[in-house]
Amino acid sequence: AQKITQTQPGMFVQEKEAVTLDCTYDTSDPSYGLFWYKQPSSGEMIFLIYQGSYDQQNATEGRYSLNFQKARKSANLVISASQLGDSAMYFCAMRDPNQAGTALIFGKGTTLSVSS
Amino acid sequence: ETGVTQTPRHLVMGMTNKKSLKCEQHLGHNAMYWYKQSAKKPLELMFVYNFKEQTENNSVPSRFSPECPNSSHLFLHLHTLQPEDSALYLCASSQDWGSEAFFGQGTRLTVV
Repeated sequence: AQKITQTQPGMFVQEKEAVTLDCTYDTSDPSYGLFWYKQPSSGEMIFLIYQGSYDQQNATEGRYSLNFQKARKSANLVISASQLGDSAMYFCAMRDPNQAGTALIFGKGTTLSVSS
Repeated sequence: ETGVTQTPRHLVMGMTNKKSLKCEQHLGHNAMYWYKQSAKKPLELMFVYNFKEQTENNSVPSRFSPECPNSSHLFLHLHTLQPEDSALYLCASSQDWGSEAFFGQGTRLTVV
């Protein structure tokens, strides 16, 4: 069964606009972690932001923020003031110890295209 | 400069060849992973090693054989691969529960 769902294959946004990338997850464990990664065309996976299931506040890292809605099991990534360099694939991932121990399980990804 | 280094970056091999992918991390992490990334598919977890012990084998065919001689190095030995095994193979490491995984730049494998 799919544990991480990213329903947007592609998103298009103009520079300086904000964009939200959707992610929903499925787990029965009360303790889990949620991650977002960026993958440019070079292939490297770049860590962006982390949210723990017990964190009281939504995570923020610079222009990235995570809209964590625990009851809805969603962890959407918000990128404010988009830049051309933000064009890449974005993956939502979850660490669920009951699934794969310390490993991350990934969604299918969303391709973000930022235009000038 | 990433703390996780993978070599080679690109590899073309025939179906009868034997090759190995190498991954090295100097971050002091105790867990290492192999992922496969095919076009149009999510990253697939292949193997997990914690403290040099294999803890996950995600139903990977035996033509892929991992080796973890120490906590800093991870290998993926390849033999008699199929064209559908062509993909980007990513290595990652992490410290423990709750911490992010750091990825290498991957090996782009083409099986001909």
